[in-house]
Amino acid sequence: NAGVTQTPKFRILKIGQSMTLQCTQDMNHNYMYWYRQDPGMGLKLIYYSVGAGITDKGEVPNGYNVSRSTTEDFPLRLELAAPSQTSVYFCASSYGTHVDTQYFGPGTRLTVL
Amino acid sequence: GQQLNQSPQSMFIQEGEDVSMNCTSSSIFNTWLWYKQDPGEGPVLLIALYKAGELTSNGRLTAQFGITRKDSFLNISASIPSDVGIYFCAGPSGMNSGGSNYKLTFGKGTLLTVNP
Repeated sequence: NAGVTQTPKFRILKIGQSMTLQCTQDMNHNYMYWYRQDPGMGLKLIYYSVGAGITDKGEVPNGYNVSRSTTEDFPLRLELAAPSQTSVYFCASSYGTHVDTQYFGPGTRLTVL
Repeated sequence: GQQLNQSPQSMFIQEGEDVSMNCTSSSIFNTWLWYKQDPGEGPVLLIALYKAGELTSNGRLTAQFGITRKDSFLNISASIPSDVGIYFCAGPSGMNSGGSNYKLTFGKGTLLTVNP
């Protein structure tokens, strides 16, 4: 199993541009999550999904959108990039029926200039 | 919302030394998780604790679930250079309508540097 994969690994955007961060897992997990990590601030939950077709907001959803058309994929969309969205983004997945191990991808480092 | 406070924020130690770090919460947790993040990678689960007072080991790592259920401790014995990284504590963010408890709140992390 590849686990959780994320693309791209790095990206630089100009203010106002849009992009999609891709996340795929091959563990047949129902639950998937998007976090952002800012230096010294830990991980903040942006959006999560409990299954295909179901998504919900986390702690810091503003400026982002998600979709979950399949069990495997959970893309994160930035429509109008802002400097405040410069961060490292992590996708994670879990079985989800209990507080359980969340498996993290390697991250996408995004810079908005 | 729930907050987790980790201390210390950073540590610089010599190889071979033991390390202790802790995590406290303003509210009661029924699960404590400890993750490690290597530089440039995503976090990986080290230890999970499910009962107050529980003491669990994973190699040179030992974690304890505090009796008050508002704190947890992680100890690393005989540190080695590959212990370098950020250590996060995490706990459930609250219950969903179905009764499960899968969202996590993370502390800000303890950055560990080990000098060989």
